[in-house]
Amino acid sequence: DGGITQSPKYLFRKEGQNVTLSCEQNLNHDAMYWYRQDPGQGLRLIYYSQIVNDFQKGDIAEGYSVSREKKESFPLTVTSAQKNPTAFYLCASSTNRRSGAYNEQFFGPGTRLTVL
Amino acid sequence: AQTVTQSQPEMSVQEAETVTLSCTYDTSESDYYLFWYKQPPSRQMILVIRQEAYKQQNATENRFSVNFQKAAKSFSLKISDSQLGDAAMYFCAYRSARGRSQGNLIFGKGTKLSVKP
Repeated sequence: DGGITQSPKYLFRKEGQNVTLSCEQNLNHDAMYWYRQDPGQGLRLIYYSQIVNDFQKGDIAEGYSVSREKKESFPLTVTSAQKNPTAFYLCASSTNRRSGAYNEQFFGPGTRLTVL
Repeated sequence: AQTVTQSQPEMSVQEAETVTLSCTYDTSESDYYLFWYKQPPSRQMILVIRQEAYKQQNATENRFSVNFQKAAKSFSLKISDSQLGDAAMYFCAYRSARGRSQGNLIFGKGTKLSVKP
């Protein structure tokens, strides 16, 4: 079945440690995205990538890093520089066709990160 | 910069009744897309309905329909014959149709919908 997987579902980290969240898709989508969700805040864009080996900062990129070495994978690293990393993290992907196409985003099941 | 506002943090509806969720947005663009996403307790984001700004006809998907008022920058979601499974967070989202960030979604803060049996 085609879809997006995120692992792990729950992640616990000690303060001061870096941690990497996995996101894999087999939808053959060019574009991938990382969002952070906090209670009452909706979803906020952390990083996005329109094509392999290229990515751009979103609205809240500070304290995060990403890589896009393969089309299928877009891992997110939460570094110790992120002041308040406890949140729910969602990965999404979409096609990246010519401007004007819907390019609907499909979401993974999310990872809940808790800093102890 | 574009913004999306959902003014109702929580809404409640009786099963089988109709409810309307509000969404307004701010943009200077003329070409864009609007979406409603549903997030049930499982937290999986599910696309409910979408609308292209250049289409005057309101989108409909089964029991879900929108009232798109482009001049007023309003995009409300109507759920008819509400079911218990409709209980969820609902997010309104905007996406530009042009430019470097044309793939990125801008979300409102969400409306929590409860359905009473």
